[in-house]
Amino acid sequence: EVQLVQSGAEVKKPGESLKISCKGSGYSFSTYWIGWVRQMPGKGLEWMGIIYPGDSDTRYSPSFQGQVTISADKSISTAYLQWSSLKASDTALYYCARVGGYSHGSAGYFDYWGQGTLVTVSS
Amino acid sequence: SYELTQPPSVSVSPGQTARIACSGDALPKQYAYWYQQKPGQAPVVVIYKDSERPSGIPERFSGSSSGTIVTLTVSGVQAEDEAEYYCQSADSSGTWVFGGGTKLTVL
Repeated sequence: EVQLVQSGAEVKKPGESLKISCKGSGYSFSTYWIGWVRQMPGKGLEWMGIIYPGDSDTRYSPSFQGQVTISADKSISTAYLQWSSLKASDTALYYCARVGGYSHGSAGYFDYWGQGTLVTVSS
Repeated sequence: SYELTQPPSVSVSPGQTARIACSGDALPKQYAYWYQQKPGQAPVVVIYKDSERPSGIPERFSGSSSGTIVTLTVSGVQAEDEAEYYCQSADSSGTWVFGGGTKLTVL
């Protein structure tokens, strides 16, 4: 059974750094792209980017390029999303999700999702 | 930046057919996907590659495509189908994008 288990909720202050995680199991982690999706309170889904754990090839949404870093450690089947300096506007629920089908330049989709990690940034 | 446009809300009575449209200039060249999200839950894909239905998704969910518009159809709507629905695709450079979401209300 494919499972994505995300790290727990975080409460941080503006300016602090943060790294949240997503551990995959039940499939070959290295051979599937995995991505991150933001959902701000009461709002819709926003695609942040995806990474191929096998070689760390990463694609970012222009909206998030330079704002976050997506990484993965295939040895422990874990993907990460990190911020170097959080802002209040980063307050949101962040989902990791496995990519079900993708080729460069095309639309892929997310077939399995984690439970979400709530990040709250407040002074 | 590229946008996918959905109506904010659609309302139908139980047993009726709900249709949710999603428009985008790149849709003739990129597949579309549909997700269902219920309150407090992660999204679930209900349609992939315009019209394919994943295993475990009821047959009442179907998808279609015509030019710059893709449509999610829910036939014989049930109370449990009340949820937010998002279309998702990519622009011409391959950057993925979600539509703004449509709240399906079962009256």
